[in-house]
Amino acid sequence: DSGVTQTPKHLITATGQRVTLRCSPRSGDLSVYWYQQSLDQGLQFLIQYYNGEERAKGNILERFSAQQFPDLHSELNLSSLELGDSALYFCASSKTGGNTGELFFGEGSRLTVL
Amino acid sequence: GNSVTQMEGPVTLSEEAFLTINCTYTATGYPSLFWYVQYPGEGLQLLLKATKADDKGSNKGFEATYRKETTSFHLEKGSVQVSDSAVYFCALSPYNQGGKLIFGQGTELSVKP
Repeated sequence: DSGVTQTPKHLITATGQRVTLRCSPRSGDLSVYWYQQSLDQGLQFLIQYYNGEERAKGNILERFSAQQFPDLHSELNLSSLELGDSALYFCASSKTGGNTGELFFGEGSRLTVL
Repeated sequence: GNSVTQMEGPVTLSEEAFLTINCTYTATGYPSLFWYVQYPGEGLQLLLKATKADDKGSNKGFEATYRKETTSFHLEKGSVQVSDSAVYFCALSPYNQGGKLIFGQGTELSVKP
């Protein structure tokens, strides 16, 4: 158990809909990262928050947005869903925003868009 | 830009065989390098890391050495077990970019008894 909690574990929805994925980081971790894992794209970095502020942005679509709340949990919002958004979405956390530390990953939220 | 290239899988080995999974990277500055492992149905777990050139990371019999001259971080294990069957990801964290990881495409390892 990494200590990172993601909900829901599975989600099935239709094209055009909007969903919210939630992540609770490990106790004491200030950084939260979101990744998308798909068969064709592999593991893609989406976005990082550190202590409530956006720290780094990757290949995140404009239809996607995220935020980190004062209690440090984070939400990833996916809107106007398309079939190609079907993927496993991982959240990870770390103590700091430096590049030498370990990231702890949750078990992922599997999104299926029909 | 920053990128990671891993050898393609799947790799199938017999128990007690020697394992090498090749990983090369492109990066500006001085990245940290990592190997993560993903078991079926689970999230990724850190296997080992190296934060500067010539460092050797090791854990659970796996090891990898940060080679700046060849921009490589190959994963090795002398004798694999069935329980090592998983997907292995090489990753780099660019210097001064907040701690994000850039992953290779992953290499699936299957170890047969």
